[in-house]
Amino acid sequence: SQQGEEDPQALSIQEGENATMNCSYKTSINNLQWYRQNSGRGLVHLILIRSNEREKHSGRLRVTLDTSKKSSSLLITASRAADTASYFCATTFTGANSKLTFGKGITLSVRP
Amino acid sequence: NAGVTQTPKFQVLKTGQSMTLQCAQDMNHNSMYWYRQDPGMGLRLIYYSASEGTTDKGEVPNGYNVSRLNKREFSLRLESAAPSQTSVYFCASSEEWRGPQFFGPGTRLTVL
Repeated sequence: SQQGEEDPQALSIQEGENATMNCSYKTSINNLQWYRQNSGRGLVHLILIRSNEREKHSGRLRVTLDTSKKSSSLLITASRAADTASYFCATTFTGANSKLTFGKGITLSVRP
Repeated sequence: NAGVTQTPKFQVLKTGQSMTLQCAQDMNHNSMYWYRQDPGMGLRLIYYSASEGTTDKGEVPNGYNVSRLNKREFSLRLESAAPSQTSVYFCASSEEWRGPQFFGPGTRLTVL
């Protein structure tokens, strides 16, 4: 399968702590995207990082990409209870017809 | 802007019945997508439309058909529903191919 694989599958932390989620993939990518899904809702795009970029920030979110290891990390700093959600890594691979392919997701629980 | 809207929100069908899921976006996006989300499986692409006037199969197209009615609207039809099609269906759109996708709220479908 070409889809990214997230790690861990589930993560539980205390409010105020940092949350780190990882994604690994197998073939060369065009870009990698992270999405959030709150329970019962649609997915929300968080960050897109291109294959020639190494790090991007958006508010409390920091995404890194290591193409030599074929992996990405999403760091949420100073977590809040409202960050409780599922997080998905999605990749588009090189190749003209490549479509966005989603991993199975990470369930993050932030305890108040 | 409403973003991506989907109707209906919930639907219960009997095996063999047909129905059409409607999707519309008001962001003037070129590309539109239909996904299904099942527990433990992540999101799987059913069909997509890279641009107005084109549609293509995704990962799991069997049992479905689509119509890109115009730039705004992209419908998904189940001709003869089966219990295996019980799922949550999401429509999404993106301005550019491989770009960030914007998701609708989903349709929860149960086939008895």
